[in-house]
Amino acid sequence: AQTVTQSQPEMSVQEAETVTLSCTYDTSESDYYLFWYKQPPSRQMILVIRQEAYKQQNATENRFSVNFQKAAKSFSLKISDSQLGDAAMYFCAYRIRVGGGADGLTFGKGTHLIIQP
Amino acid sequence: GAVVSQHPSWVICKSGTSVKIECRSLDFQATTMFWYRQFPKQSLMLMATSNEGSKATYEQGVEKDKFLINHASLTLSTLTVTSAHPEDSSFYICSAISGQVYEQYFGPGTRLTVT
Repeated sequence: AQTVTQSQPEMSVQEAETVTLSCTYDTSESDYYLFWYKQPPSRQMILVIRQEAYKQQNATENRFSVNFQKAAKSFSLKISDSQLGDAAMYFCAYRIRVGGGADGLTFGKGTHLIIQP
Repeated sequence: GAVVSQHPSWVICKSGTSVKIECRSLDFQATTMFWYRQFPKQSLMLMATSNEGSKATYEQGVEKDKFLINHASLTLSTLTVTSAHPEDSSFYICSAISGQVYEQYFGPGTRLTVT
């Protein structure tokens, strides 16, 4: 079975600074997706960024980028120029890629990100 | 686009009664819908996967007779919590996909409180 581990229950960063959230995972599969989701107080899940395991290039989305280390099974999220609106729970998630899209996500326990003004 | 709604957003029911939660894809046809459960300050746990017109597939440890899932159309899936007990109180979130794509579109969730 796949597992996703987020070892930082809570992180705090000053506004405009950079913060990195850690995630490791365990799988025997070679073809999969990794995601970072944001869950603000409204509890609506918002996709932040995704990474396909077959791609060597790290994904980036504006201020958000990942450091994907497939051999180490590590998938960290870097948030640059942190903004107050970034404050939320962040979940790392895994999904197998083969067999189409009909597979649910496996989530880590989440990291609560606090932005200090 | 790609909006998923849930109804109700919050429900309180008495122990022993049943409650139904609806998940709708508003602007696309959802070939597959997923149901997750989230305990307070915890992660999301996949409960089951449902495909339109077929029986749901439940994750290990999820009681299929307690959590009845029906995916009757390409835009609607329902989760019925039967004979609810206080330990069923939780936040239930659905998500949906269309075809073989990577992104799941999440509903806003339903808070269930069983008294």
